[in-house]
Amino acid sequence: AQTVTQSQPEMSVQEAETVTLSCTYDTSESDYYLFWYKQPPSRQMILVIRQEAYKQQNATENRFSVNFQKAAKSFSLKISDSQLGDAAMYFCAYRRPPRGADGLTFGKGTHLIIQP
Amino acid sequence: DARVTQTPRHKVTEMGQEVTMRCQPILGHNTVFWYRQTMMQGLELLAYFRNRAPLDDSGMPKDRFSAEMPDATLATLKIQPSEPRDSAVYFCASGLQVFGGYTFGSGTRLTVV
Repeated sequence: AQTVTQSQPEMSVQEAETVTLSCTYDTSESDYYLFWYKQPPSRQMILVIRQEAYKQQNATENRFSVNFQKAAKSFSLKISDSQLGDAAMYFCAYRRPPRGADGLTFGKGTHLIIQP
Repeated sequence: DARVTQTPRHKVTEMGQEVTMRCQPILGHNTVFWYRQTMMQGLELLAYFRNRAPLDDSGMPKDRFSAEMPDATLATLKIQPSEPRDSAVYFCASGLQVFGGYTFGSGTRLTVV
């Protein structure tokens, strides 16, 4: 079974600084998807960024980028120029290829605090 | 923006009562999930459907939970009878089989007293 581990229960960063959230996963598959979801206090789950495992290029979305290390099974999220609105729980998630059971497996989450 | 609609947003019920949660997936999405979120267990997959057919419900307690998708615009999750340990936020999500991400609804916060 796939597992996703987020080793940082909580992170704190000054506004406008850069922060990196860590995620590792375990899988025997060679093709899969990885995601970062944001959950603010409103509890809405918001897709931040996704990465296809077959793509070597790291995904970026504005201030959000990932460092995908396939061999190390590592998928970290970097938030640049952090803003107060970035404060939330961040969940790393894994999805296996769509050949059958391909629900998302989530990590336990990292609570990100933005200090003004 | 297209969105997944869940009702009700909040539900407080007494132990032993039946609870039904509803989800309207995004039109055209062929995959629908139900997740449960608790502080202790995090996000757990309960069940999901592809093209309205149940694909995996191994995460769901079979004795009291049931999930159905009577048509492409409605998915339901029922708990009968409800217990205090069922208190959680229940999320519905939808997506396309071949497209990477899934869109989540706002969740139903269930409290069983």
